[in-house]
Amino acid sequence: DAGITQSPRHKVTETGTPVTLRCHQTENHRYMYWYRQDPGHGLRLIHYSYGVKDTDKGEVSDGYSVSRSKTEDFLLTLESATSSQTSVYFCAISTDRGGYGYTFGSGTRLTVV
Amino acid sequence: AQSVSQHNHHVILSEAASLELGCNYSYGGTVNLFWYVQYPGQHLQLLLKYFSGDPLVKGIKGFEAEFIKSKFSFNLRKPSVQWSDTAEYFCATGFGNEKLTFGTGTRLTIIP
Repeated sequence: DAGITQSPRHKVTETGTPVTLRCHQTENHRYMYWYRQDPGHGLRLIHYSYGVKDTDKGEVSDGYSVSRSKTEDFLLTLESATSSQTSVYFCAISTDRGGYGYTFGSGTRLTVV
Repeated sequence: AQSVSQHNHHVILSEAASLELGCNYSYGGTVNLFWYVQYPGQHLQLLLKYFSGDPLVKGIKGFEAEFIKSKFSFNLRKPSVQWSDTAEYFCATGFGNEKLTFGTGTRLTIIP
């Protein structure tokens, strides 16, 4: 969608290496989210942000950290990638916490070998 | 905590069949309700949403959903499906100042 981009789109990395995924928005939305999508689990929230330098954990935050130094960028870091973190990662943005819905990015397919 | 249930994990239909996908939520207060669609290899896109007013909501591509408060349900319907409707469908709820809660999704396969 216009206004939210994720990079990279695809990545293959080795177990134990750090990986950073980037979400960039041009909508000036306050809230940003990182989800992972896995078969049988739907969407699971990893971390979210409600402003610059304000972040909080979601339901599956272990092994992940985030940073938001600017309104437009929300970075997700896998500190030491494991095979269980092979997934599709989606970023989403919203004007409020959720009452009016989210806009999703195109996703990053991450494979940890 | 709020929860969303989508009991149909995988639905297979022939073209022109009618569709109804179930969605039930747990919160008893005022909620905003959403259906998102994810076509193969793509990201989630908003299909339709309900905030208030007419409980029958019409969305894009001929989809509609009905909010039934007494049943805590927001089922998605389409009178005649097409092969291009093959996708995964997610129901979500949001209320107050809380984050959206998503269901686990329903995979829809349309057989030509």
